[in-house]
Amino acid sequence: NAGVTQTPKFRILKIGQSMTLQCTQDMNHNYMYWYRQDPGMGLKLIYYSVGAGITDKGEVPNGYNVSRSTTEDFPLRLELAAPSQTSVYFCASSYRGDREGQPQHFGDGTRLSIL
Amino acid sequence: GNSVTQMEGPVTLSEEAFLTINCTYTATGYPSLFWYVQYPGEGLQLLLKATKADDKGSNKGFEATYRKETTSFHLEKGSVQVSDSAVYFCALSNKGSARQLTFGSGTQLTVLP
Repeated sequence: NAGVTQTPKFRILKIGQSMTLQCTQDMNHNYMYWYRQDPGMGLKLIYYSVGAGITDKGEVPNGYNVSRSTTEDFPLRLELAAPSQTSVYFCASSYRGDREGQPQHFGDGTRLSIL
Repeated sequence: GNSVTQMEGPVTLSEEAFLTINCTYTATGYPSLFWYVQYPGEGLQLLLKATKADDKGSNKGFEATYRKETTSFHLEKGSVQVSDSAVYFCALSNKGSARQLTFGSGTQLTVLP
């Protein structure tokens, strides 16, 4: 009953370092998403994917990259960490089907600090 | 583009008080509307949803009605409990948009015993 699993839960990076935030889901969902949540703000979409091999930019993609080689995994890559990327990152997934109102299922988040 | 405006928080209530969190939206077409809840240290969980005008979503004593004429989806609960303390997010998604969600800024609710 894992759902959406994110690792790590916490991380501190130095400016200019790189890292990959991992996300995997076991619900066979086609759609996957990465969001960032800044204090007092709603979630902003970074990147999303509608299936293996297909990714697209969201509202705030600068400084990030993604890949989707399998249905289950959707890693988010920070190449040159900057203080503005200090945030809580959430991965989510959703069933593709035609019925409207399919919800997104969220992981527990990765809290990232760039110092 | 799409946008969601939520009542600003934080909101502090006594146990058994009535709760309303206002949410209005701007969107093209007929979006699906959602309320998500985030408990401390956790990800977001779907609380309720509505997919067409006049639909009422309900769950765990919470209700919200999709009002197209006022572009609103206000969250209500008749009697809140301490365990309802959390951050509540209103969100919408459009058809054909890979179900991308547009979120409001969230409303922090604290319920005191």
